Amino acid sequence: EVQLVESGGGLVQPGGFLRLSCAASGFSFSDFQMNWVRQAPGKGLEWVSYISSSGNTKLYTDSVKGRFAISTDHAKKSLFLQMHNLRVEDTAVYYCVSGELSWGRGTLVTVSS
Amino acid sequence: DIQMTQSPSTLSASVGDRVTITCRASQGIGSWLAWYQQKPGKAPKLLIYKASTLESGVPSRFSGSRSGAEFTLTISSLQPDDFATYYCQQYESYWTFGQGTKVEI
Repeated sequence: EVQLVESGGGLVQPGGFLRLSCAASGFSFSDFQMNWVRQAPGKGLEWVSYISSSGNTKLYTDSVKGRFAISTDHAKKSLFLQMHNLRVEDTAVYYCVSGELSWGRGTLVTVSS
Repeated sequence: DIQMTQSPSTLSASVGDRVTITCRASQGIGSWLAWYQQKPGKAPKLLIYKASTLESGVPSRFSGSRSGAEFTLTISSLQPDDFATYYCQQYESYWTFGQGTKVEI
């Protein structure tokens, strides 16, 4: 059974930093692209970032370019999202999603002073 | 960027009703379209992928279809557990989601 478990969310002040992690199991992690998708409170779903199976291609939505960095550790079957210079509008539940459209349960990031 | 226009935003229905939700892509996405169901406080649940393929374990009252750049999710007979918000998603290029359809009583 595919499992994706996110962690690392929390409360942070504007301008702060957080590192999200996603632990994968139940599939061959190194064979698949991975994505982060977020959902602000009461809002719809927004794609945030993509990383290819090789790690060579990384893509970001415009609002996070230059602030967020996606990466993987195939040995640990883990996906990461480093989030710098956080803004209030980054407040959301962040989901780890595989290229096969399996979703984790999400981790809440709250950016507030 | 590919835009997904989903309608309606809200749908009032009763148990037993046939319900249809539509998504239109701003450019060609082939059949790279998924449908999700989301309930409050939960992650989206995949219902259909590749426009019309039912995810394992999803009841057969859910179905998906495609006509060109227009995609439809149909619930043949609405059940109490189906009251939720539904999203379409294109995954042909980057990913984009529709705005969501809340199905309520």
